Amino acid sequence: GGIITQTPKFLIGQEGQKLTLKCQQNFNHDTMYWYRQDSGKGLRLIYYSITENDLQKGDLSEGYDASREKKSSFSLTVTSAQKNEMAVFLCASSMDTEVFFGKGTRLTVV
Amino acid sequence: GDQVEQSPSALSLHEGTDSALRCNFTTTMRSVQWFRQNSRGSLISLFYLASGTKENGRLKSAFDSKERRYSTLHIRDAQLEDSGTYFCAAAQQGTGSKLSFGKGAKLTVSP
Repeated sequence: GGIITQTPKFLIGQEGQKLTLKCQQNFNHDTMYWYRQDSGKGLRLIYYSITENDLQKGDLSEGYDASREKKSSFSLTVTSAQKNEMAVFLCASSMDTEVFFGKGTRLTVV
Repeated sequence: GDQVEQSPSALSLHEGTDSALRCNFTTTMRSVQWFRQNSRGSLISLFYLASGTKENGRLKSAFDSKERRYSTLHIRDAQLEDSGTYFCAAAQQGTGSKLSFGKGAKLTVSP
């Protein structure tokens, strides 16, 4: 089995700040994803990457950048944090079938 | 619009009873995955189906193999620890494993 590690677990930022979330997987999966979940709602896809250095926009990419530095890692940047924003960001990976998720980074913007 | 319509959005059961959750898809899907989200927010994969049915203990899931437009999750003999939010997610043909999620179903099991 493998594991997806997201850091940090909790992130508090200030309005306008640039914030970076990191994700590592040791499944050796090709594809990695970033999803956002707002309280009480489903997940929405921000970015995904099918291989190292690849980047594909999801439904919610505006306001975010992403980077697939190597096969095992995928980072997400909030380019300018919005005041009172609260959400959980979930990283996932797959090898074209079942998708596995990390435990999430909980973002609060003050 | 939303590609995955999940129902019901909330459900209350007594221990020992059976129930089912359903997801309808607005287009043909390649595969479906069911998750349970616990109180800490972790998404636990319950089933991945490309067709047919799968069973694990008191849980059973089915994916309509003909039209590929709906999936169900059956819970038998509900227990307190089954409480949580259940999500279905599906991948369209030609999109690899890129999942579109339903809005979730909050299940509460009481004694």
